[in-house]
Parts: sequence; structure tokens; C-alpha cells
Amino acid sequence: QKEVEQDPGPLSVPEGAIVSLNCTYSNSAFQYFMWYRQYSRKGPELLMYTYSSGNKEDGRFTAQVDKSSKYISLFIRDSQPSDSATYLCAMSSGAQKLVFGQGTRLTINP
Amino acid sequence: GAVVSQHPSWVICKSGTSVKIECRSLDFQATTMFWYRQFPKQSLMLMATSNEGSKATYEQGVEKDKFLINHASLTLSTLTVTSAHPEDSSFYICSARDLRGQGNEKLFFGSGTQLSVL
Repeated sequence: QKEVEQDPGPLSVPEGAIVSLNCTYSNSAFQYFMWYRQYSRKGPELLMYTYSSGNKEDGRFTAQVDKSSKYISLFIRDSQPSDSATYLCAMSSGAQKLVFGQGTRLTINP
Repeated sequence: GAVVSQHPSWVICKSGTSVKIECRSLDFQATTMFWYRQFPKQSLMLMATSNEGSKATYEQGVEKDKFLINHASLTLSTLTVTSAHPEDSSFYICSARDLRGQGNEKLFFGSGTQLSVL
């Protein structure tokens, strides 16, 4: 079993829809949770950063962490074609290494 | 967020030659940088951790003589792919942590280098 599981998709939704992206994990030591957006042939860009459980909102993006269920989510409201990218979840226990999910390929159709 | 600059963005080379990729932290000092490799439609695979002033730490299965890492200053790490072969063709990405302030678990990535070995 992988430490971090993420459905690779692809996920295709119409413009304006609410998008829900999710990851599950097995290591209860993880405390730092991140979401990255990666466009094709580019480096990942940090979107959201959360420490421990709870919600965090930034514009159209909301990140949720449920440590009891070992489940994290990223919601995108009013999705735009420019949101089409691969979204990677990542997490860490505070040691050096970050563990990444496989990434979900998202397409927003105009 | 912190800025990490990576060059070149793409490179084509002949089999048997060596290629150097540079990674710079532009507005912060990075005692540790990370090098990843990514195949199409796959996630990031950590290759090695680059430590300023000391030897790099390589992940299991990564040949240290093949992928030479040098971290000579607090803002620059280089990855040299020696005697490159077509199977080394991949997307290479560096990253670094900005340890200033809170949230220093965040990793900031360079723009990546697409290596194609003919």
C-alpha cells in the first residue's frame, strides 16, 4: 500500500463547476499537508498549505484536512479553464522528505 | 512565495555526453535542496537531497556516480547527468525549502528541465 493514495483521473468538468480533489494516507505521523498545481512541462506551484486538521480558504480554493480519517481534500469553486492542470497532494511528518500523491489530471471544459 | 530558478528549461544531447542542470534560490538561502525526476503522467520521484557543503544523500536505486550533485553555496545546487543515455530522458525538477518564518515545510519548485538524450 502506498503511503499516499490519489486518484489519477482524468477528471473533466464544465466551467463553473465545483471540483473536489482528494487524497488518503496511511502514516498517522503526517502533520503538514500541501496541494500543488502543475501545468504541463512546468514545476509544481504551491497552492495551499495546512498544518494539522481543519479548513483553509484562499480565494476559490479550500483545503480540508481530516486527520481522524486520514483524508485531505481540495475544493475549487467557480472552476475556470485556466485551472486545467495536474493537482498533487503532498504531506510530511516534519522530517525532511515530502511524500507526494500520484496527481490528478483535471480538465475544465469551457 | 520563495522563488527557485532552474536552468536550462530543456536540453537535447547526444548519448554519452554529460549535462549539467542548475538550481538557484533567488530570494532566500537554501541549505538543502531536493532533486526530483518525473516521467510522463507520473508523480515526482525524489532522487537525492542536496546539502550545502557536504555530500548529497541519494534515494535507493539512484546511482550517485551517474547523477552528480554539487551544492557549493547557499543558493546554488547543480545536477550533472554523466554519460547520458536515452533512458535518462526525463523531466528533472529541483526544489528548496524557505526556512524563514512559519510554514517551513513548504517546498518551492523550479520550473523543471526536460532532458532528451538522442
